[in-house]
Amino acid sequence: GDSVTQMEGPVTLSEEAFLTINCTYTATGYPSLFWYVQYPGEGLQLLLKATKADDKGSNKGFEATYRKETTSFHLEKGSVQVSDSAVYFCALNNFNKFYFGSGTKLNVKP
Amino acid sequence: NAGVTQTPKFRILKIGQSMTLQCAQDMNHNYMYWYRQDPGMGLKLIYYSVGAGITDKGEVPNGYNVSRSTTEDFPLRLELAAPSQTSVYFCASRARVGDSNQPQHFGDGTRLSIL
Repeated sequence: GDSVTQMEGPVTLSEEAFLTINCTYTATGYPSLFWYVQYPGEGLQLLLKATKADDKGSNKGFEATYRKETTSFHLEKGSVQVSDSAVYFCALNNFNKFYFGSGTKLNVKP
Repeated sequence: NAGVTQTPKFRILKIGQSMTLQCAQDMNHNYMYWYRQDPGMGLKLIYYSVGAGITDKGEVPNGYNVSRSTTEDFPLRLELAAPSQTSVYFCASRARVGDSNQPQHFGDGTRLSIL
């Protein structure tokens, strides 16, 4: 069945460091891919999305490129801030069902 | 701008009790979903609905029931609460227009403890 695998956390970085959170997926057909962010005590919020191969989603300095050849959708940011500390979820939508990765907790230290 | 509203935010139940988790959205979204999130884990789909009167099972439906009598509301029912159902429950909705590229909009969750 469809699934999403993302790197385990927590990931701890210093402010202004480069961030990469790996995400790979397994799916039939042509899913849409998403990154969501969850702050403590809150629901998930959409961070960015990509709907077809080679699309790049971007928002708030975060980027991810839909790579069909490697079935990946890695999240990157060039310079993280303390306010980026949160849990990040990779997800796919295929035939109206969403599948989420287990989440990666990011801690950014001043 | 309410979006997706879940009630209650917190609840403690005794084993064997029943309760209904409420979810309402005001965005006229066709699709609605219920997930549970266990500590340190991702989201598991419990049930989903593609429109009023239509519901379907997700990955972990056992012990739960849903109904969708209106577009706005999608309540989740626990009939006989068990400790394994201690979790945070999230409701989400999304528009049908544009279909697969539409993101989900989440409520703030209901924290449920069963003792």
